[in-house]
Amino acid sequence: QQQVRQSPQSLTVWEGETAILNCSYENSAFDYSPWYQQFPGEGPALLISILSVSNKKEDGRFTIFFNKREKKLSLHIADSQPGDSATYFCAASPTGGNNKLTFGQGTVLSVIP
Amino acid sequence: GPKVLQIPSHQIIDMGQMVTLNCDPVSNHLYFYWYKQILGQQMEFLVNFYNGKVMEKSKLFKDQFSVERPDGSYFTLKIQPTALEDSAVYFCASSFGGADTEVFFGKGTRLTVV
Repeated sequence: QQQVRQSPQSLTVWEGETAILNCSYENSAFDYSPWYQQFPGEGPALLISILSVSNKKEDGRFTIFFNKREKKLSLHIADSQPGDSATYFCAASPTGGNNKLTFGQGTVLSVIP
Repeated sequence: GPKVLQIPSHQIIDMGQMVTLNCDPVSNHLYFYWYKQILGQQMEFLVNFYNGKVMEKSKLFKDQFSVERPDGSYFTLKIQPTALEDSAVYFCASSFGGADTEVFFGKGTRLTVV
């Protein structure tokens, strides 16, 4: 069964810095990894995702780096803004897995102006 | 963007009673999901549903749980009878495709069993 772990549990950065959020998984048969952003009182919203055939995915200020050999991913948020303060969840979906997502416990990001 | 609506946002219910959580998925989506999140823990997959049938369910999807979407209306999660450990936030989600496609989540229903 897929296990997804995130670190750190919480992260504080200054506005303009790059925030780095980490994720690792234990099952090699993962096909798709979405990252979700969640604000208090809201449901998770897809931020960016990557397929296992890629080692990098970029979308504006958000970049996922994927090290398949080490089974690790990281989300880099460049030029962090106070509006980026939220909880970020890494998830993984197994190959042919009917979009069944296994989530990490999340990283709470705080961006200080 | 597309919205998944969940009704109600909060529900308090006596242990042993039945509860139905309602979800209005994105209109053209074909795949539906329920996830459970206990306070301070990660969201965990309960069940997914396609073409009127459960495709896969997790160990958390106890015998007291059932899902249905009668005649394309609400996608519902019913718990009968409820137990104290069912207290959690339940997130409904939907997607157009069944693999590697964006899954849209609702805001969740906070269920408190007392």
